[in-house]
Amino acid sequence: DTAVSQTPKYLVTQMGNDKSIKCEQNLGHDTMYWYKQDSKKFLKIMFSYNNKELIINETVPNRFSPKSPDKAHLNLHINSLELGDSAVYFCASSRDLSIRNEQFFGPGTRLTVL
Amino acid sequence: GQQVMQIPQYQHVQEGEDFTTYCNSSTTLSNIQWYKQRPGGHPVFLIQLVKSGEVKKQKRLTFQFGEAKKNSSLHITATQTTDVGTYFCAGRAAGNKLTFGGGTRVLVKP
Repeated sequence: DTAVSQTPKYLVTQMGNDKSIKCEQNLGHDTMYWYKQDSKKFLKIMFSYNNKELIINETVPNRFSPKSPDKAHLNLHINSLELGDSAVYFCASSRDLSIRNEQFFGPGTRLTVL
Repeated sequence: GQQVMQIPQYQHVQEGEDFTTYCNSSTTLSNIQWYKQRPGGHPVFLIQLVKSGEVKKQKRLTFQFGEAKKNSSLHITATQTTDVGTYFCAGRAAGNKLTFGGGTRVLVKP
């Protein structure tokens, strides 16, 4: 059983399109995250949700809109895609907001904007 | 804001040799975590250090947290091809946000 799953694994799309990435965790965790990893491997947090409530919103363009229908799911919708959005997007979860919790990452979604 | 830096960015190692990668924070950390990402894979949690001066070992990997809780190191002995990947440190300061370093990409020459 996959602990944190993401769909799709690959996403190739044209500039200007709108796309969504879905994430689900079956670990019973309260906290979920979205990270962006660029071509240089820098891993940058985008959003964090705790029990469906937005906790962290790093300076991400408002074209990115996360949605958490329940605490097991955190989806990411991206409007008007730009070339610079090409990256690997990782979803992650942790038990709760405690600073000592490790994060469990999903397999990633490789987004390519043409 | 909090910054976490790792050096070196790339590490080319001959199989069987030892190496160390370093992690430095601009602020005092509550704890530090290390993750490993294999090529094409996702980050996987390795270990967490909490106490000042703490040292933990996992087989050939030795992790250390600095006395001032602003730096950490990962030392790998007798490197194997299975050690290939990118090693990230990630630190938490005030505010509970986990900040990742830029990673050290390890390449092993057989």
